[in-house]
Amino acid sequence: AQSVSQHNHHVILSEAASLELGCNYSYGGTVNLFWYVQYPGQHLQLLLKYFSGDPLVKGIKGFEAEFIKSKFSFNLRKPSVQWSDTAEYFCAVNAWDTGRRALTFGSGTRLQVQP
Amino acid sequence: NAGVTQTPKFQVLKTGQSMTLQCAQDMNHNSMYWYRQDPGMGLRLIYYSASEGTTDKGEVPNGYNVSRLNKREFSLRLESAAPSQTSVYFCASRETGEQFFGPGTRLTVL
Repeated sequence: AQSVSQHNHHVILSEAASLELGCNYSYGGTVNLFWYVQYPGQHLQLLLKYFSGDPLVKGIKGFEAEFIKSKFSFNLRKPSVQWSDTAEYFCAVNAWDTGRRALTFGSGTRLQVQP
Repeated sequence: NAGVTQTPKFQVLKTGQSMTLQCAQDMNHNSMYWYRQDPGMGLRLIYYSASEGTTDKGEVPNGYNVSRLNKREFSLRLESAAPSQTSVYFCASRETGEQFFGPGTRLTVL
């Protein structure tokens, strides 16, 4: 069964700092990869996704992620964070060739951006 | 489009009580899902339904039942609630690509 690890549980940054959140998964087959964001009191929203093609994926709100297959990683980045980026971020994986279409989520990273 | 809707938004139950969480989607998606979200554990899959008339267990199905009433609706039932089921429950739907999530139901079992 696939699993997803997010090593940073809580990150505190100042506005304009650069962000990188780690995500590693354990599955050797074909995967689809996602980053979701959950703002306080709200439901999950998709930031970006990777299915195939260019491993550098650009999402909404200036976020991007890079799929490195050899490292089983899909790290999320943003060059300059804003206070409004304060939220919880979840990495998720769908192991496509298992036939199961549900996502496996990481435990989440809480990002706090200080003004 | 309303997307994915869930009712109720909040619920408090006593141990042993039963209740049904409702979920509906208007995007004509075949697949629907129920997750629970607990602090430090991300979202864990309870049950999913790949299409109308089919359901499958996820990671944490014990204590829950589901019904895929039709293509739009997928309900989650707690027959005898336990404090360990205190959580936030999210419903999601999917066709191809991303999953779309509902606003969640915050359930407390006393």
